[in-house]
Amino acid sequence: ETGVTQTPRHLVMGMTNKKSLKCEQHLGHNAMYWYKQSAKKPLELMFVYNFKEQTENNSVPSRFSPECPNSSHLFLHLHTLQPEDSALYLCASSQDRVEQFFGPGTRLTVL
Amino acid sequence: RKEVEQDPGPFNVPEGATVAFNCTYSNSASQSFFWYRQDCRKEPKLLMSVYSSGNEDGRFTAQLNRASQYISLLIRDSKLSDSATYLCVVNIGSYGKLTFGQGTILTVHP
Repeated sequence: ETGVTQTPRHLVMGMTNKKSLKCEQHLGHNAMYWYKQSAKKPLELMFVYNFKEQTENNSVPSRFSPECPNSSHLFLHLHTLQPEDSALYLCASSQDRVEQFFGPGTRLTVL
Repeated sequence: RKEVEQDPGPFNVPEGATVAFNCTYSNSASQSFFWYRQDCRKEPKLLMSVYSSGNEDGRFTAQLNRASQYISLLIRDSKLSDSATYLCVVNIGSYGKLTFGQGTILTVHP
C-alpha cells in the first residue's frame, strides 16, 4: 500500500449507530488531519494531530471523536450522528511542510 | 467575508484555450498558498505551491500578490484532462491549518 488509505470507502448508518472511520498513511509523515467535505461547501478542517497529539479541534461536535494511536493511524469514531453529517470525510497527512496528501475519502450517509 | 474566496464558475473552454482563475484571501497573516486539483468524486491533489516571486510548472503558472491578497492560476493550452475543480488553499500560520476555497469548476471541451 502506498500513500494515504481510508476505510471504509462508503458507509451508511442510522442516527443511533456507532461506527469508526480508519485512515492509514504509508508516507512516514508526522501529522494527520480529518476534513469534512459537504456538497457545495469548501473542505472544512476538523482535527489536526501532530506527533500523535491533537493540536487543533475546529469546534467539531462531540459526536465526532478522533483517535490517533500512532503517527501512521488515525480514526474518527462516530455516534448519534445527524442527517446533516452526511458528507465525504477526508484524511490527510504531511511531514514538516504544509503540503498535505489526501486519502480517497469515506462517503458517509446518515439516515 | 469568506476567508478564501473563488469564483465557482463553471468555466467552459475549448481545448487549447488559456484560462485564468483568481482567488482572494481575507487574512493578511496568511503565509503559504497552494492550488489543489480535485477530480469528480476523488480526493484533492496538490497541483502547485504559490510563491511570492510567481512560479511556473509546464502549462501552469501561479502568481501571488500579497498587497492585494490575491492569488491566480493560469492554464495555457488547455487539455481535456484539465477538467476538474481547482481549489485555492491558504495556510494562516497555525501548523497544518489549511483553509480551502469553494473551488472553481473547469470543463475543457473538444
